[in-house]
Amino acid sequence: GAGVSQSPSNKVTEKGKDVELRCDPISGHTALYWYRQRLGQGLEFLIYFQGNSAPDKSGLPSDRFSAERTGESVSTLTIQRTQQEDSAVYLCASSWGTVTGELFFGEGSRLTVL
Amino acid sequence: AQRVTQPEKLLSVFKGAPVELKCNYSYSGSPELFWYVQYSRQRLQLLLRHISRESIKGFTADLNKGETSFHLKKPFAQEEDSAMYYCALRDNYGQNFVFGPGTRLSVLP
Repeated sequence: GAGVSQSPSNKVTEKGKDVELRCDPISGHTALYWYRQRLGQGLEFLIYFQGNSAPDKSGLPSDRFSAERTGESVSTLTIQRTQQEDSAVYLCASSWGTVTGELFFGEGSRLTVL
Repeated sequence: AQRVTQPEKLLSVFKGAPVELKCNYSYSGSPELFWYVQYSRQRLQLLLRHISRESIKGFTADLNKGETSFHLKKPFAQEEDSAMYYCALRDNYGQNFVFGPGTRLSVLP
């Protein structure tokens, strides 16, 4: 596609349920990033992938959060046993991964945990 | 560890007035600095980066390594500049992007 695509755009779930958020990066982009944006807050780094490996998982807030990437393409962010504090917009971005590569962002997945 | 700070959460100026959005960073190496902007109901997008040394939509930003700053400036603000602005740093090792907390710019008529 022409840009970074994320799905679902909106997800409402009950506390305790698991959710999966998907990101389709721009074709050919080797680097992929996940950020969280809580209401009125800035971007909180979660994890980034170079190819299919994740050299930096330091931002994942708890072991309920996990992410994977396959085929150097699609990535899935999974949140298990969701809590109300997980409510946020989850943003995905990709880049060429070169020294001067800029980030291209998706429109985000808005998660609401009731 | 790298860190980006933006001291102003909200900045309001009148149309035609100069605007400066502050950004400071901490990083031991030689970073690459960016400004990203998010207009209402649009996705985050790159505004400018320090290595390009260009002016986009009238905005400029100069990297000051002595003061570890990368402030964004525009001499005459326009209403369409109202948006959320994020300063970001990319390290040259891990290619990790770190964002500041953002400043909401409101340009009043």
